[in-house]
Amino acid sequence: AQKVTQAQTEISVVEKEDVTLDCVYETRDTTYYLFWYKQPPSGELVFLIRRNSFDEQNEISGRYSWNFQKSTSSFNFTITASQVVDSAVYFCALARANSGGYQKVTFGTGTKLQVIP
Amino acid sequence: EPEVTQTPSHQVTQMGQEVILRCVPISNHLYFYWYRQILGQKVEFLVSFYNNEISEKSEIFDDQFSVERPDGSNFTLKIRSTKLEDSAMYFCASNREVRESRRPTQYFGPGTRLTVL
Repeated sequence: AQKVTQAQTEISVVEKEDVTLDCVYETRDTTYYLFWYKQPPSGELVFLIRRNSFDEQNEISGRYSWNFQKSTSSFNFTITASQVVDSAVYFCALARANSGGYQKVTFGTGTKLQVIP
Repeated sequence: EPEVTQTPSHQVTQMGQEVILRCVPISNHLYFYWYRQILGQKVEFLVSFYNNEISEKSEIFDDQFSVERPDGSNFTLKIRSTKLEDSAMYFCASNREVRESRRPTQYFGPGTRLTVL
């Protein structure tokens, strides 16, 4: 069975602090995909990143960076120099892909990040 | 930039009534999905659809739910007899074909908030 655990329910940081959101996953698949989504108070889901299981290269995009560690089944997300606009709920998700589509998509319970000015 | 659209943005209905939620996926996408998010909870996969048939469904997607692609552009989710616990945000998503060497994004629509009274 697939499972995504986001142990941090809520995090509060002061603006300009760095913050890391943890994501631990379980799967028996050898090929899988990991995602992070942002859900601001307006409710939409904003795609942030997707990672293939065979690509362990870490990625940086501006103030965002992702650390994929297959050995510990973790896919952590770090925001550097946080800003008030980063306040949102962040979801980690796991999926397999068969026959061209994403399958067995499993979301974590989300981490609510509050950045205090 | 192409986007997934959903209508209506908010639907209020009486318990026991049928509702149809509509989605227009991105035009060259082949794989379509419905997810739901009960207020304050995680996003849950409902169903995936490809080549005019369901490719996967979760245990939530029981006989009260059905999906259809009635024409070349719309993708609908029907709930036959709504229950109070169907109140949630419903997200539609779509993507192109997934291949290991390519990493297509799963695009989400803005969601339809369904309120069952």
